[in-house]
Amino acid sequence: DIQMTQSPSTLSASVGDRVTITCRASQSISSWLAWYQQKPGKAPKLLIYKASSLESGVPSRFSGSGSGTEFTLTISSLQPDDFATYYCQQYNSYSPKALTFGGGTKVEIK
Amino acid sequence: EVQLVESGGGLVKPGGSLRLSCAASGFTFSSYSMNWVRQAPGKGLEWVSSISSSSSYIYYADSVKGRFTISRDNAKNSLYLQMNSLRAEDTAVYYCARDDVLSRSAGYYFDYWGQGTLVTVSS
Repeated sequence: DIQMTQSPSTLSASVGDRVTITCRASQSISSWLAWYQQKPGKAPKLLIYKASSLESGVPSRFSGSGSGTEFTLTISSLQPDDFATYYCQQYNSYSPKALTFGGGTKVEIK
Repeated sequence: EVQLVESGGGLVKPGGSLRLSCAASGFTFSSYSMNWVRQAPGKGLEWVSSISSSSSYIYYADSVKGRFTISRDNAKNSLYLQMNSLRAEDTAVYYCARDDVLSRSAGYYFDYWGQGTLVTVSS
């Protein structure tokens, strides 16, 4: 299976900060990567798909980049609503089909 | 409005069985592949299983293969997960989630999620 490694696992930041989260794949996944935001007790919310495509309704301060094995999620100016846990997910593997998530990055208030 | 509502969770003893359901509304259920994703308490997300719109393609994580069965009833707009031989490590919130890709296959990325149902496996 393709392993997804996120860093850092926890990030302390202030409102207005630029925040970058990294996700690395154990092998090339082209651009088949999604990013989700999850708040405590809630279901995940899709932010980015195909590495850099912004899901409808998601604020433009969120952006994704990368291809192959290294990807980043950037929040250009952190807002109070953005304190949450973020997960990457690859959907490249077909034989066998095995979708995998990163371990998560918790963005905390500094 | 797209809605996914899971049900069927609860407390079950190791070795027991449970059937989860997910009722879908607000979209043409028969056109979309669907998935189950779980999250153990305080842990990250884990993909469990995917099923294509016509049930022709079905996939499982190695951790549940041979014990769990995914199915769907397009006439009832419902997704199911039959869970047998349950283990303590299956304890988690189980989410149903819709694939955001219209395809013959299944298992991509997920644009809509239910609120989850908690399964606890304990003696």
